[in-house]
Amino acid sequence: GESVGLHLPTLSVQEGDNSIINCAYSNSASDYFIWYKQESGKGPQFIIDIRSNMDKRQGQRVTVLLNKTVKHLSLQIAATQPGDSAVYFCAENRGSNYQLIWGAGTKLIIKP
Amino acid sequence: KAGVTQTPRYLIKTRGQQVTLSCSPISGHRSVSWYQQTPGQGLQFLFEYFSETQRNKGNFPGRFSGRQFSNSRSEMNVSTLELGDSALYLCASRTLAEADTQYFGPGTRLTVL
Repeated sequence: GESVGLHLPTLSVQEGDNSIINCAYSNSASDYFIWYKQESGKGPQFIIDIRSNMDKRQGQRVTVLLNKTVKHLSLQIAATQPGDSAVYFCAENRGSNYQLIWGAGTKLIIKP
Repeated sequence: KAGVTQTPRYLIKTRGQQVTLSCSPISGHRSVSWYQQTPGQGLQFLFEYFSETQRNKGNFPGRFSGRQFSNSRSEMNVSTLELGDSALYLCASRTLAEADTQYFGPGTRLTVL
């Protein structure tokens, strides 16, 4: 199947530091992007989204940046906590049918 | 408000058998989508149902099918199971008011022996 260009790397971050998770997408026509968090044994949980007419959006401790020029999306987590340990997925919407295309995920590990 | 529920949580089948998985969306959500999640392929979209009608379908063989009932509960069926069908099957629901936000259930872990 199709996938956004995100293989499954692992990111290790010291507790209290900021985390940055990156994602590349391939379709310049994509107009909506979402970040999900999946903890072990659970389904994905919505974190934050952004539309293509924006380049930055902030939530609680999280910021999503969108660079349409290079088709790049990033998720920044401020003051990373042990509860942030999870696999993070980016997904893009490529059309009016609202069929999300998902990346493979990034595993975030928090070091004490 | 209760979240998306899926049953069963775990299932073991053998090749050639068929399986039916169930999903109950959040109350008031009329759209239900199904995904297959494997370590190598990530989340792959199977299909979406809205008001008992299939709206979208991913690139899966005809062995994968689904349906939605009038109460928005959905089932997916996989016939003639293959080893490669072993995966976590996730169900997600959404409402038209928050059309872009999907809420996921915990998934059903299917193992095919």
